[in-house]
Amino acid sequence: DAKTTQPPSMDCAEGRAANLPCNHSTISGNEYVYWYRQIHSQGPQYIIHGLKNNETNEMASLIITEDRKSSTLILPHATLRDTAVYYCIVRVDNYGQNFVFGPGTRLSVLP
Amino acid sequence: SQTIHQWPATLVQPVGSPLSLECTVEGTSNPNLYWYRQAAGRGLQLLFYSVGIGQISSEVPQNLSASRPQDRQFILSSKKLLLSDSGFYLCAWSRARGTGGISNTDTQYFGPGTRLTVL
Repeated sequence: DAKTTQPPSMDCAEGRAANLPCNHSTISGNEYVYWYRQIHSQGPQYIIHGLKNNETNEMASLIITEDRKSSTLILPHATLRDTAVYYCIVRVDNYGQNFVFGPGTRLSVLP
Repeated sequence: SQTIHQWPATLVQPVGSPLSLECTVEGTSNPNLYWYRQAAGRGLQLLFYSVGIGQISSEVPQNLSASRPQDRQFILSSKKLLLSDSGFYLCAWSRARGTGGISNTDTQYFGPGTRLTVL
């Protein structure tokens, strides 16, 4: 799976949009971009994923650049409960492989 | 809606003792099930996955084993724990594929985890 690069930490004011960037410049055509988050001592929580097109669900929006070398996760109205480590990963349509998380971005939502 | 449960939440066991961690999923049928171990808050190492009752695939040779006695129940076991078995164990599920296989692009939903400390 391609490597991803994320900023180590970000702050966001409560109620504002949180925009979390991710670089995946070596991504292949058949690799999907996934976002998970993990609150301390809890299991990872799936947020959203995409291949080429932008995606939106009840939690977030995913914006993927046209060349697919980077993406941005957008939490439209961040709350204190969104404070977590956010992981951007790319995964190929294969089977039985580990989740290779990088350090992720530690998002702190401030009151 | 679907929910996934794991218990116990935390466990402290002596070296050489047996282990049994349980995972159950509600609200879906014939899910694919997975056991992972997470070290130091980073990546997840896939230990076992199952596409059906009694069907277990092992990814890493070790002193752990897994069983799936019921459709939505997945159990991680060991006969004798080692110090190196300490860690955060996560169960996950994904929707079954029509082909019966699994894919890394299947969205996986994780349980709350079990923190195991072997002394």
